Amino acid sequence: AQTVTQSQPEMSVQEAETVTLSCTYDTSESDYYLFWYKQPPSRQMILVIRQEAYKQQNATENRFSVNFQKAAKSFSLKISDSQLGDAAMYFCAYRSSSGAGSYQLTFGKGTKLSVIP
Amino acid sequence: IAGITQAPTSQILAAGRRMTLRCTQDMRHNAMYWYRQDLGLGLRLIHYSNTAGTTGKGEVPDGYSVSRANTDDFPLTLASAVPSQTSVYFCASSDSTGRSGSSYNEQFFGPGTRLTVL
Repeated sequence: AQTVTQSQPEMSVQEAETVTLSCTYDTSESDYYLFWYKQPPSRQMILVIRQEAYKQQNATENRFSVNFQKAAKSFSLKISDSQLGDAAMYFCAYRSSSGAGSYQLTFGKGTKLSVIP
Repeated sequence: IAGITQAPTSQILAAGRRMTLRCTQDMRHNAMYWYRQDLGLGLRLIHYSNTAGTTGKGEVPDGYSVSRANTDDFPLTLASAVPSQTSVYFCASSDSTGRSGSSYNEQFFGPGTRLTVL
């Protein structure tokens, strides 16, 4: 079974600065998907960014980018120019690309990000 | 409606009572899921359904049952609630057929149900 580890339960960043959230995962598969979800106090789960394992290029969505290191099984999220609205829980998630029930997500335990004005 | 709705928003329940959490999506997604979120544990999969008429067990299925009679609805039932089932429950759906282009396989989440079992 796949596991996802987020080693930073809490982090903080100064407004306008850059912060990196770490995520590692364990899998024997070669093809899979990785995601970062944001959960603000409203409780809504919001997809931030997605990475397909077969793509070598790191995904980017505006101020959000990832550092995907397939050999190291590492998938960190970088938030540039942090804004107060970025304060939230961030979850890293893994999804297989094949097999019965392969559409399920396996989540890490989350990192609570605080943004300091 | 657009997206996924869950009902109720929150509920306080006496232990031993039966409870059904409702989930409806209008995106015609084939796959649906139930997760529970507990502090310090992230989200854990309870049950899933890859298509109407089929269901499967996730990581923490004990004490829960699901049904998928049609594409849109995926209710989660607690037959006899216990305090350890106090949690926030999220329903999600995804399209694995490739119809949705860039949203292929992305999971969309409902707003969650906060359940307290006393």
